[in-house]
Amino acid sequence: QSALNQPASVSGSPGQSITISCTGTSSDVGGYNFVSWYQQHPGKAPKLMIYDVSDRPSGVSNRFSGSKSGNTASLTISGLQAEDEADYYCSSYTDRSTYVFGTGTGVTVL
Amino acid sequence: QVHLVESGGGVVQPGRSLRLSCAASGFYFSSYGMNWVRQAPGKGLQWVASTSFDGTTTYYEDSVKGRFTVPRDNSKNTVYLQLNNLRPEDTAVYYCARDRLSRGVDYWGQGVLVTVSS
Repeated sequence: QSALNQPASVSGSPGQSITISCTGTSSDVGGYNFVSWYQQHPGKAPKLMIYDVSDRPSGVSNRFSGSKSGNTASLTISGLQAEDEADYYCSSYTDRSTYVFGTGTGVTVL
Repeated sequence: QVHLVESGGGVVQPGRSLRLSCAASGFYFSSYGMNWVRQAPGKGLQWVASTSFDGTTTYYEDSVKGRFTVPRDNSKNTVYLQLNNLRPEDTAVYYCARDRLSRGVDYWGQGVLVTVSS
């Protein structure tokens, strides 16, 4: 199973909005509304930010939102803050009853 | 609150075996599937294996199929990752993570480092 494709890096200034894409196939992203997004700070475990394409767990800021169109999912961070600087990974359920993660995107707050 | 604690990591020679443990608390363990996800140094996340709530159904990433197994003991609220015939490319931090009914994983442990080196 090939990793989902994400841009290696995205940057933005405080207060701006950024969007991270996650491209898969009809066997994963396009076939199921089971896309999740995770935030990972250096040396820490990943944290769930978005599940089921666009739902937020309790406690996650509403500055984080998710969407999907066809085989591509997206994570948007609005009102970018310094604490948002981290690595972000998408993940999808697949038609092999497994999960596949994205290649990861490093977000830099300028 | 949900708490997952991995243990059992360390340095092991190629071809040898290791067993990781993940002790769970704060939720009804017997009702949840569990996953193992790894991250090689400086690399991204890679899903490794999953087990159903009762351990009867398991799935594996192709590169570990036939070498890794993921048993669980619901009486001990613990899931394991048995790593056999280890290779240098298995060097990674291994995380256990709770499954959300095949809709992704939600809670993660802190991870445990496995280094395969002679």
